Amino acid sequence: TQLLEQSPQFLSIQEGENLTVYCNSSSVFSSLQWYRQEPGEGPVLLVTVVTGGEVKKLKRLTFQFGDARKDSSLHITAAQPGDTGLYLCSISSGSARQLTFGSGTQLTVLP
Amino acid sequence: ETGVTQSPTHLIKTRGQQVTLRCSSQSGHNTVSWYQQALGQGPQFIFQYYREEENGRGNFPPRFSGLQFPNYSSELNVNALELDDSALYLCASSRGGSNQPQHFGDGTRLSIL
Repeated sequence: TQLLEQSPQFLSIQEGENLTVYCNSSSVFSSLQWYRQEPGEGPVLLVTVVTGGEVKKLKRLTFQFGDARKDSSLHITAAQPGDTGLYLCSISSGSARQLTFGSGTQLTVLP
Repeated sequence: ETGVTQSPTHLIKTRGQQVTLRCSSQSGHNTVSWYQQALGQGPQFIFQYYREEENGRGNFPPRFSGLQFPNYSSELNVNALELDDSALYLCASSRGGSNQPQHFGDGTRLSIL
């Protein structure tokens, strides 16, 4: 059983559409991160959410942390081909504050 | 500011061989973490090095080992390679201390034949 469940696993949409991807768990977290990974590259940190109910915006991307701090969502408005990539949520835990990742949502935005 | 660099970018080995992957941390970062990312999966934590000592380890067998050097660069060594070791190996560096963001390199793609 994955600690972090991401859905959907795959998403293919047309340029200009809106979309939401989810990261869910039965555990409560002190914080959660979202990364984007493009082919041939390492993950790049997009945002860290800390407070239950928190909403953060990064241009066309809106991140929300659930009130109970068990889940998070990422909403993209007017998606563009440059948004294509693997979107990963993660939490840090353990003595090394190592990252535990979900399996990711592979997003493809078609021109 | 130089980011995290990894070498080589691609590597092909056969079962039973040994491999060494290298990582140079970002300037000012003294902590290096290694992750394994299988195809279609999120990265999985292998271990972390801080001040040249292993600082935490994930659920990987002892044939996965590492080193950190005084300049904070790091190596990941894998002995007795198995087919399931085929993956993208990612290195991430960070400043010491809790909740410091980790910055990833672009990884080494290891293929085992």
